[in-house]
Amino acid sequence: DTGVSQNPRHKITKRGQNVTFRCDPISEHNRLYWYRQTLGQGPEFLTYFQNEAQLEKSRLLSDRFSAERPKGSFSTLEIQRTEQGDSAMYLCASSPYYQTVRTNYGYTFGSGTRLTVV
Amino acid sequence: TQLLEQSPQFLSIQEGENLTVYCNSSSVFSSLQWYRQEPGEGPVLLVTVVTGGEVKKLKRLTFQFGDARKDSSLHITAAQPGDTGLYLCAGEVGANNLFFGTGTRLTVIP
Repeated sequence: DTGVSQNPRHKITKRGQNVTFRCDPISEHNRLYWYRQTLGQGPEFLTYFQNEAQLEKSRLLSDRFSAERPKGSFSTLEIQRTEQGDSAMYLCASSPYYQTVRTNYGYTFGSGTRLTVV
Repeated sequence: TQLLEQSPQFLSIQEGENLTVYCNSSSVFSSLQWYRQEPGEGPVLLVTVVTGGEVKKLKRLTFQFGDARKDSSLHITAAQPGDTGLYLCAGEVGANNLFFGTGTRLTVIP
Protein backbone atom coordinates (compact mmCIF):
# COMPACT_ATOMS: atom_id res chain seq x y z
CA ASP A 1 0.00 0.00 0.00
CA THR A 2 1.36 3.40 -0.93
CA GLY A 3 -0.55 5.38 1.68
CA VAL A 4 -3.16 8.05 1.02
CA SER A 5 -2.99 9.46 -2.49
CA GLN A 6 -4.43 12.81 -3.55
CA ASN A 7 -4.78 14.22 -7.03
CA PRO A 8 -4.02 16.69 -8.37
CA ARG A 9 -1.22 18.06 -6.17
CA HIS A 10 -1.78 21.57 -7.40
CA LYS A 11 -4.75 23.26 -9.05
CA ILE A 12 -5.02 26.83 -10.30
CA THR A 13 -8.47 27.91 -11.35
CA LYS A 14 -10.30 31.06 -12.22
CA ARG A 15 -12.91 32.41 -9.86
CA GLY A 16 -16.32 30.97 -10.65
CA GLN A 17 -15.03 27.69 -12.07
CA ASN A 18 -15.78 24.28 -10.59
CA VAL A 19 -12.99 22.03 -9.36
CA THR A 20 -12.89 18.42 -8.21
CA PHE A 21 -10.24 16.70 -6.12
CA ARG A 22 -9.74 12.99 -5.64
CA CYS A 23 -8.52 11.02 -2.63
CA ASP A 24 -7.56 7.34 -2.57
CA PRO A 25 -7.28 6.19 1.05
CA ILE A 26 -5.41 3.22 2.47
CA SER A 27 -7.42 0.27 1.22
CA GLU A 28 -8.25 -1.31 4.57
CA HIS A 29 -9.29 2.00 6.18
CA ASN A 30 -13.04 2.45 6.48
CA ARG A 31 -12.95 6.08 7.53
CA LEU A 32 -12.03 8.96 5.25
CA TYR A 33 -11.73 12.62 6.22
CA TRP A 34 -11.40 15.90 4.39
CA TYR A 35 -9.63 18.87 5.96
CA ARG A 36 -8.76 22.35 4.74
CA GLN A 37 -5.62 24.16 5.76
CA THR A 38 -4.81 27.80 5.11
CA LEU A 39 -1.38 29.32 5.47
CA GLY A 40 -0.18 29.52 9.05
CA GLN A 41 -3.12 27.55 10.44
CA GLY A 42 -3.77 24.00 11.51
CA PRO A 43 -6.06 21.83 9.38
CA GLU A 44 -9.79 22.44 9.80
CA PHE A 45 -12.25 19.57 9.64
CA LEU A 46 -14.65 19.57 6.69
CA THR A 47 -16.34 16.18 6.57
CA TYR A 48 -15.88 12.47 7.11
CA PHE A 49 -17.13 9.18 5.72
CA GLN A 50 -17.48 5.76 7.20
CA ASN A 51 -17.48 3.47 4.19
CA GLU A 52 -19.81 5.21 1.71
CA ALA A 53 -21.85 7.07 4.32
CA GLN A 54 -21.10 10.74 4.96
CA LEU A 55 -21.60 10.93 8.71
CA GLU A 56 -20.61 14.47 9.60
CA LYS A 57 -20.16 17.82 7.88
CA SER A 58 -18.63 20.96 9.30
CA ARG A 59 -20.33 24.34 9.07
CA LEU A 60 -17.31 25.28 6.95
CA LEU A 61 -18.71 23.05 4.22
CA SER A 62 -20.98 25.52 2.43
CA ASP A 63 -23.52 24.46 -0.17
CA ARG A 64 -20.87 25.04 -2.86
CA PHE A 65 -18.92 22.10 -1.48
CA SER A 66 -19.92 18.49 -1.96
CA ALA A 67 -18.09 15.30 -1.12
CA GLU A 68 -18.80 11.76 -2.18
CA ARG A 69 -17.45 8.31 -1.56
CA PRO A 70 -19.66 6.25 -3.82
CA LYS A 71 -18.25 2.76 -3.30
CA GLY A 72 -16.62 3.26 0.06
CA SER A 73 -13.20 3.44 -1.53
CA PHE A 74 -11.97 6.66 -3.16
CA SER A 75 -13.59 10.01 -2.45
CA THR A 76 -14.08 13.23 -4.38
CA LEU A 77 -14.47 16.77 -3.11
CA GLU A 78 -16.07 19.23 -5.50
CA ILE A 79 -16.16 22.99 -5.12
CA GLN A 80 -18.62 24.83 -7.34
CA ARG A 81 -18.32 28.49 -8.30
CA THR A 82 -14.95 28.84 -6.64
CA GLU A 83 -14.11 32.02 -4.74
CA GLN A 84 -10.72 33.44 -3.83
CA GLY A 85 -11.39 32.53 -0.21
CA ASP A 86 -11.40 28.87 -1.23
CA SER A 87 -7.66 29.03 -1.87
CA ALA A 88 -6.11 26.57 0.56
CA MET A 89 -4.53 23.16 0.91
CA TYR A 90 -7.18 20.43 0.90
CA LEU A 91 -6.06 17.41 2.87
CA CYS A 92 -7.51 13.93 2.89
CA ALA A 93 -6.88 11.42 5.65
CA SER A 94 -7.98 7.88 6.42
CA SER A 95 -8.10 5.70 9.52
CA PRO A 96 -9.30 2.26 10.54
CA TYR A 97 -12.90 2.05 11.64
CA TYR A 98 -12.14 0.84 15.12
CA GLN A 99 -9.30 2.29 17.13
CA THR A 100 -8.85 1.25 20.72
CA VAL A 101 -6.79 2.69 23.51
CA ARG A 102 -4.00 0.29 22.65
CA THR A 103 -4.28 0.44 18.90
CA ASN A 104 -4.83 4.10 18.12
CA TYR A 105 -2.81 4.63 15.01
CA GLY A 106 -4.00 8.15 14.36
CA TYR A 107 -4.83 9.38 10.91
CA THR A 108 -2.79 8.90 7.76
CA PHE A 109 -2.80 12.02 5.64
CA GLY A 110 -2.19 12.47 1.96
CA SER A 111 0.11 15.15 0.59
CA GLY A 112 -2.83 17.40 -0.14
CA THR A 113 -4.13 19.38 -3.10
CA ARG A 114 -3.15 23.01 -3.12
CA LEU A 115 -5.89 25.11 -4.68
CA THR A 116 -5.27 28.63 -5.91
CA VAL A 117 -8.24 30.64 -7.11
CA VAL A 118 -7.28 33.63 -9.24
CA THR B 1 -13.50 26.97 15.71
CA GLN B 2 -10.10 26.00 17.06
CA LEU B 3 -10.44 24.17 20.36
CA LEU B 4 -6.71 23.80 20.89
CA GLU B 5 -4.17 26.55 21.39
CA GLN B 6 -0.49 25.93 20.92
CA SER B 7 2.39 27.98 22.24
CA PRO B 8 4.69 29.30 21.13
CA GLN B 9 3.51 29.91 17.57
CA PHE B 10 7.05 30.34 16.30
CA LEU B 11 10.30 29.06 17.77
CA SER B 12 13.80 29.53 16.42
CA ILE B 13 16.63 27.87 18.34
CA GLN B 14 20.22 26.79 17.89
CA GLU B 15 21.14 23.18 17.27
CA GLY B 16 21.65 21.34 20.55
CA GLU B 17 19.17 23.38 22.58
CA ASN B 18 16.12 21.95 24.32
CA LEU B 19 12.57 23.16 23.77
CA THR B 20 9.00 22.57 24.89
CA VAL B 21 5.80 23.14 22.95
CA TYR B 22 2.48 23.40 24.75
CA CYS B 23 -1.01 22.47 23.64
CA ASN B 24 -3.92 23.67 25.77
CA SER B 25 -7.68 23.39 25.67
CA SER B 26 -10.70 23.70 27.90
CA SER B 27 -12.11 20.54 26.34
CA VAL B 28 -11.51 16.95 27.35
CA PHE B 29 -10.25 14.66 24.61
CA SER B 30 -10.39 10.91 24.23
CA SER B 31 -6.92 11.04 22.74
CA LEU B 32 -4.32 13.64 21.86
CA GLN B 33 -2.14 13.24 18.81
CA TRP B 34 0.99 15.06 17.72
CA TYR B 35 1.87 15.48 14.07
CA ARG B 36 4.76 17.05 12.20
CA GLN B 37 4.20 18.70 8.85
CA GLU B 38 6.75 19.64 6.22
CA PRO B 39 6.04 22.41 3.68
CA GLY B 40 3.80 21.18 0.86
CA GLU B 41 3.07 17.87 2.56
CA GLY B 42 0.37 16.45 4.81
CA PRO B 43 0.86 16.01 8.57
CA VAL B 44 2.65 12.85 9.70
CA LEU B 45 1.68 11.24 12.99
CA LEU B 46 4.37 11.26 15.69
CA VAL B 47 2.51 9.84 18.67
CA THR B 48 -0.91 9.24 20.20
CA VAL B 49 -1.53 9.59 23.95
CA VAL B 50 -4.79 8.38 25.43
CA THR B 51 -4.44 8.13 29.22
CA GLY B 52 -4.34 11.14 31.54
CA GLY B 53 -0.78 11.64 32.79
CA GLU B 54 0.67 9.40 30.11
CA VAL B 55 4.24 10.03 28.99
CA LYS B 56 5.64 8.67 25.75
CA LYS B 57 9.15 8.96 24.40
CA LEU B 58 10.22 8.84 20.79
CA LYS B 59 14.02 9.11 20.69
CA ARG B 60 14.70 12.75 21.66
CA LEU B 61 11.01 13.66 21.79
CA THR B 62 8.97 13.35 24.98
CA PHE B 63 5.19 13.72 24.91
CA GLN B 64 2.98 14.16 27.95
CA PHE B 65 -0.80 14.13 28.24
CA GLY B 66 -2.27 16.20 31.09
CA ASP B 67 -3.95 14.42 33.99
CA ALA B 68 -7.33 15.87 33.00
CA ARG B 69 -6.77 15.04 29.30
CA LYS B 70 -7.16 18.69 28.31
CA ASP B 71 -3.56 19.61 27.56
CA SER B 72 -0.30 18.18 26.33
CA SER B 73 3.33 19.06 25.88
CA LEU B 74 6.11 18.07 23.52
CA HIS B 75 9.70 18.35 24.71
CA ILE B 76 12.63 17.99 22.33
CA THR B 77 16.08 17.39 23.72
CA ALA B 78 19.19 18.48 21.84
CA ALA B 79 17.31 19.76 18.80
CA GLN B 80 18.73 19.05 15.37
CA PRO B 81 18.13 20.82 12.03
CA GLY B 82 16.11 17.79 10.93
CA ASP B 83 13.56 18.63 13.64
CA THR B 84 12.56 21.78 11.73
CA GLY B 85 8.91 21.76 10.80
CA LEU B 86 5.36 22.59 11.84
CA TYR B 87 4.29 20.71 14.95
CA LEU B 88 0.56 20.20 15.34
CA CYS B 89 -1.37 18.82 18.27
CA ALA B 90 -4.79 17.37 17.59
CA GLY B 91 -7.50 16.31 19.99
CA GLU B 92 -9.88 13.52 19.21
CA VAL B 93 -13.48 13.99 20.32
CA GLY B 94 -15.20 10.64 20.66
CA ALA B 95 -14.22 8.55 17.65
CA ASN B 96 -15.44 10.87 14.97
CA ASN B 97 -12.97 13.55 14.11
CA LEU B 98 -9.81 15.33 15.02
CA PHE B 99 -9.50 19.00 15.93
CA PHE B 100 -6.12 20.53 15.27
CA GLY B 101 -4.26 23.19 17.16
CA THR B 102 -2.87 26.34 15.63
CA GLY B 103 0.59 24.82 15.19
CA THR B 104 4.13 25.66 16.30
CA ARG B 105 6.64 26.39 13.60
CA LEU B 106 10.07 25.26 14.75
CA THR B 107 13.31 26.28 13.08
CA VAL B 108 16.55 24.71 14.29
CA ILE B 109 19.59 26.65 13.16
CA PRO B 110 22.77 24.63 12.52
